Amino acid sequence: DVKVTQSSRYLVKRTGEKVFLECVQDMDHENMFWYRQDPGLGLRLIYFSYDVKMKEKGDIPEGYSVSREKKERFSLILESASTNQTSMYLCASVTGGARVPEAFFGQGTRLTVV
Amino acid sequence: DQQVKQNSPSLSVQEGRISILNCDYTNSMFDYFLWYKKYPAEGPTFLISISSIKDKNEDGRFTVFLNKSAKHLSLHIVPSQPGDSAVYFCAATLRGTGKLIFGQGTTLQVKP
Repeated sequence: DVKVTQSSRYLVKRTGEKVFLECVQDMDHENMFWYRQDPGLGLRLIYFSYDVKMKEKGDIPEGYSVSREKKERFSLILESASTNQTSMYLCASVTGGARVPEAFFGQGTRLTVV
Repeated sequence: DQQVKQNSPSLSVQEGRISILNCDYTNSMFDYFLWYKKYPAEGPTFLISISSIKDKNEDGRFTVFLNKSAKHLSLHIVPSQPGDSAVYFCAATLRGTGKLIFGQGTTLQVKP
């Protein structure tokens, strides 16, 4: 059974802290994504990675960075957390190659920055 | 600039009737379109997809229609069930990049 695991369901961090959100997939997918979900705005793409050590900015990369040192793990880093980064963060792993793309999501991390 | 748009934030239908969720897009370079369903406090789950070279795909109660000339797709759920109540997201993949872009979502409520 396909699995995407995010390290935390709920996090509370202070303004200015460096925050790491971890995501692990067991499907050997090349493509992995980080989104944030906010009411009325849907899922907005922060960063994605199509291979180890490869990354691309999404639509809202400001204030974030990512790391992909191993194929199964994609980390989202908030360099200096701010209150406007309070959100639900969702990681996805996506089938690639000639297959019809299908994204498998983790359960989400609800981050609150105080 | 929102490349995938769901202009209806919410939809309410009676159990047993048809639910129609709509999605518009602006980029002609999308090669696949997908629909996802999301319950609160869970990650989205895949429902159905359609290639840009098709105009219809059906899977059980779910059918997706694609109108390329209008850059519009719709998800039909027949018959609707109370368990279908959730947020539905339309998404599209950008050809050659693997980039997956989502719309804003539509909250569907199916009343018993």
